[in-house]
Order: sequence, then structure tokens, then C-alpha cells
Amino acid sequence: SQTIHQWPATLVQPVGSPLSLECTVEGTSNPNLYWYRQAAGRGLQLLFYSVGIGQISSEVPQNLSASRPQDRQFILSSKKLLLSDSGFYLCAWSVSRRDGEQYFGPGTRLTVT
Amino acid sequence: KQEVTQIPAALSVPEGENLVLNCSFTDSAIYNLQWFRQDPGKGLTSLLLIQSSQREQTSGRLNASLDKSSGRSTLYIAASQPGDSATYLCAVKDYGGSQGNLIFGKGTKLSVKP
Repeated sequence: SQTIHQWPATLVQPVGSPLSLECTVEGTSNPNLYWYRQAAGRGLQLLFYSVGIGQISSEVPQNLSASRPQDRQFILSSKKLLLSDSGFYLCAWSVSRRDGEQYFGPGTRLTVT
Repeated sequence: KQEVTQIPAALSVPEGENLVLNCSFTDSAIYNLQWFRQDPGKGLTSLLLIQSSQREQTSGRLNASLDKSSGRSTLYIAASQPGDSATYLCAVKDYGGSQGNLIFGKGTKLSVKP
């Protein structure tokens, strides 16, 4: 069966510090991978998605970037965090098909102070 | 631009009651609609996926329907239990983006009282 992992589970970082969140998927090959952010009162927002190694699409302009160095690894990064980057970050995967069901990881709670 | 709305935003019911959660979307050009459950501080658990060609899906006490032409979906929960308390999110995968994007509603927070 497929499993999706995210770490760390929680993170408190000062403004201006760098960020690296990691997501890995087990039990599947060539998945589509997604990063979402859930901010209070704003619902879930898609940040990035990837259909293959090195292929990243950005949905919103922001202070963040994403990379996919391996087939089942997706990384969310920032060089300098802003207060507005605080939120709950969720990674998801689906089979590489437009109508594929999406499965979510446990999330990372990021607080920027 | 696709917009997804969920009504009500919050719902409190006594244990054992049958209930319906509503989801509406503005653009009927969708691949599918997915219902999720989210417990506080946790990730999303997929409950049901309805492809655009389907009318409903069932899993245990849950039944989800889809009326694509009217832009509506309902999630029916039978014989509710306190363990059903959570936020329920509806999302549609529309034709935007090269692999389709999930557009989420803001959720319905359900509380089932013992």
C-alpha cells in the first residue's frame, strides 16, 4: 500500500530564516506530487505541483520554491521566511492521471515568529 | 474561475441523526469531486471520489452524490456518531492546469453530540 510522509511535523522559525520541508511517498512510482498551504480562514491553496523529476509548476507567486530531486521526494523551500508564510503545509500525491484521486500527508505546522 | 462553496460552515447534531452536507461549484467542467475529512491539526483523509460520469458513491454510512449540470454535491452521513466530528471538505478537480488542480471549499465543521 502507499504511504506519504512529511517532516518535520511542527516547526517554529524566525522571520528571515530559511525553510526546508520534505515529503516522501512510498509504494508507488511516478506519482504526481502537490504542495498545499492551509491558512486560517483561507482554506486550502495549491502552491506547487510536479508531474515528474525536476518538473515543477507554481500556482501562485510567493516567497517559496519547490524541488523534486527524486521520483518520490518533494521539497518545499524558502531562502527567507516571512510572517505570512505561517500555516499548515500539506503534501499530496496522485497517480499520474488527470482524474486521479489525491491522498494527503499528515502535514507540517509552520509558525514564523 | 472555479469557486467551491460549502454550506453550512458549522453544524451541530445529536448522535444518531442522519445529516446532509452541501457543496456547490461554479464551473461544471470537472474531472471529479472528492470529499475529505480533516481532524484538528491533522492531514486530510479521502472519504469518497466521484468521477464526472458518476452520480453517486457509497462507503459504509457515507453516500455522496454529484449533479454536475447544477454544480452540486451532497455528502449524506447516516446514523451519525461522536467519532464523525471533524471538518468535511469538498474539492473539485477541474480542467485548469496541465494535470488539473483541486479547488477546495472552506469546509463544514461537524460536531456530533453524545
